[in-house]
Order: sequence, then structure tokens, then C-alpha cells
Amino acid sequence: DVKVTQSSRYLVKRTGEKVFLECVQDMDHENMFWYRQDPGLGLRLIYFSYDVKMKEKGDIPEGYSVSREKKERFSLILESASTNQTSMYLCASSLLVARPVGEQYFGPGTRLTVT
Amino acid sequence: ELKVEQNPLFLSMQEGKNYTIYCNYSTTSDRLYWYRQDPGKSLESLFVLLSNGAVKQEGRLMASLDTKARLSTLHITAAVHDLSATYFCAVDIVDKLIFGTGTRLQVFP
Repeated sequence: DVKVTQSSRYLVKRTGEKVFLECVQDMDHENMFWYRQDPGLGLRLIYFSYDVKMKEKGDIPEGYSVSREKKERFSLILESASTNQTSMYLCASSLLVARPVGEQYFGPGTRLTVT
Repeated sequence: ELKVEQNPLFLSMQEGKNYTIYCNYSTTSDRLYWYRQDPGKSLESLFVLLSNGAVKQEGRLMASLDTKARLSTLHITAAVHDLSATYFCAVDIVDKLIFGTGTRLQVFP
């Protein structure tokens, strides 16, 4: 079974802090994704990556950055956390090398609260 | 602007009844996925639909895809309480998935 893990299930941070959310997948998937999920807004894509050291902006990249130094690991960074970044963050991965992106497998999510 | 619309957004149904959730999208795609999310949990893959006319069934759920109409349906047969969850469709537009807003299903006795 594909396993996607995220470093924390719950996280509470203060405004202005730098926040790191880590995601690891164990199935040698090429593609990795970060979403945020908010009530009434569904899932919105923040960033994605097709390969090590590659990254692409999604629909809402402002206030976020990412890092992919190893194939299995994709990190989401909030440079200076703000209260409007309080949300559920979901990491996903998919296998396909060639596009389309294919079925995605999701991690358990990190519920981040910024106070 | 690409849109993926699900309806209804909320569905309360009695056990034993049938119902259909609709997923309409506004761009060309022949790949669509259905996911289930339980409260406080992550998304679990239900169905992968990869071509026009594709139909998949698992237990009381059946999904279909009509790429010409840009429509996918998720049909629930004889609902049971365990099906209570939020269901998302997601359209594959080559380099990413676009998710619908979800349909929250509540099944009561």
C-alpha cells in the first residue's frame, strides 16, 4: 500500500513564526502536492513538484514556499505565519511520470492553527 | 475559469434509499477521480475513471463518466449509515487535479 505521512497531525504556531510542514511518501512516486482545505472552499492547490528540486505554483502559492531535496520528501514552508493560514494542510503523491498527473494518494493531514 | 461543480452540496438520506451525486466540469478531460473523506480524516480514493463511458462499482457505490457531457455521477444504492462522509470528485487536467467542493452525505435510520 502507498503510504504518505505528514510530520504532525496538529500544530499550533504564533503569528510571524516560520513553520515547516513535512511530507514523506514511501512508494517512489514522482509527483507530490500540497493542498489546503477550508470549509466551503474544498481543496486548493498550493504547490506541486514533478521531480527533485523542481516546483510549480498552484492556485494559491502566496505566503508559502516549498522544498524538495529528496524524491520522497516534500516540505511546505510558511515564511511568516498569519492567522489566515489556519487550515487543514494535505499532502499527496502520484506515480505517473508523464502527464496527466493520475490518481493521488493523500496523507493524514496537518491541522494548523495560527494564533 | 475552470470549474468543477458538485451537487447537491449536502445530502441527507434515509437508509435503504437510492440517490445520485453529480459532478459537472467545464473543461476537456477524460480522467476523473472520486474520493471519500470521513470527518477529521484525509481523502481516500474510491474510483478512477479513465475514459468516456467508464463505469466502476464497489459495493453500494457506482461511478460513471460521460466526457462529452463533462459529467460524472456517483450513484448510491440502498444507503447505509457507513456511507456517511463527504465525497469529492476531481478532474485531471494534465498537470494537476481540480477538486469539486464536495458533497456531504448523511445517512439516517
